[in-house]
Amino acid sequence: GESVGLHLPTLSVQEGDNSIINCAYSNSASDYFIWYKQESGKGPQFIIDIRSNMDKRQGQRVTVLLNKTVKHLSLQIAATQPGDSAVYFCAENTGDSWGKLQFGAGTQVVVTP
Amino acid sequence: DGGITQSPKYLFRKEGQNVTLSCEQNLNHDAMYWYRQDPGQGLRLIYYSQIVNDFQKGDIAEGYSVSREKKESFPLTVTSAQKNPTAFYLCASGDRRYNSPLHFGNGTRLTVT
Repeated sequence: GESVGLHLPTLSVQEGDNSIINCAYSNSASDYFIWYKQESGKGPQFIIDIRSNMDKRQGQRVTVLLNKTVKHLSLQIAATQPGDSAVYFCAENTGDSWGKLQFGAGTQVVVTP
Repeated sequence: DGGITQSPKYLFRKEGQNVTLSCEQNLNHDAMYWYRQDPGQGLRLIYYSQIVNDFQKGDIAEGYSVSREKKESFPLTVTSAQKNPTAFYLCASGDRRYNSPLHFGNGTRLTVT
């Protein structure tokens, strides 16, 4: 079936630089997208979300971009800090039932000093 | 403070035994979900419940059962019919009225030998 996927399994970034995590989705019916951060041994933590009627949304140090034309989602983290080291998941709500999320495999972000 | 509590954090069982994982939330959310996570992979939906006394199968429901007798509680039973039960199990809840993102607990790591 259609699913969410990620281009890069591991991203190394220097402290202070900006990070960009990419995600491709294939279900054109998806109407809601979420980025989660997961630290080792913990549950996913909500970072930011975006609905399909938007193409950009900003939070504190994070920006999500949605390109529906090419079915692409990205998460930008500004001034990456050691505490940003984690696995980042994108998830999509395909629309058939609210809350039923499809997750990508995740990207491991490693912040180096 | 409000949140989702999963217990226990670690659980060990012998093959052939059923085991029940606990999930309690005090967020007053109507909807609750169970996801499974295997090493290096994203989350996959096992079961979900959008209202008390009602639940639906997710993508990988075989070998699992749930109940939703109370709004706050959504226990998951991993039965002996589940072929590969060793995994990290995550419970989540959400408020459909506000289309809010799912909140996750910190998971239960189940090991079956």
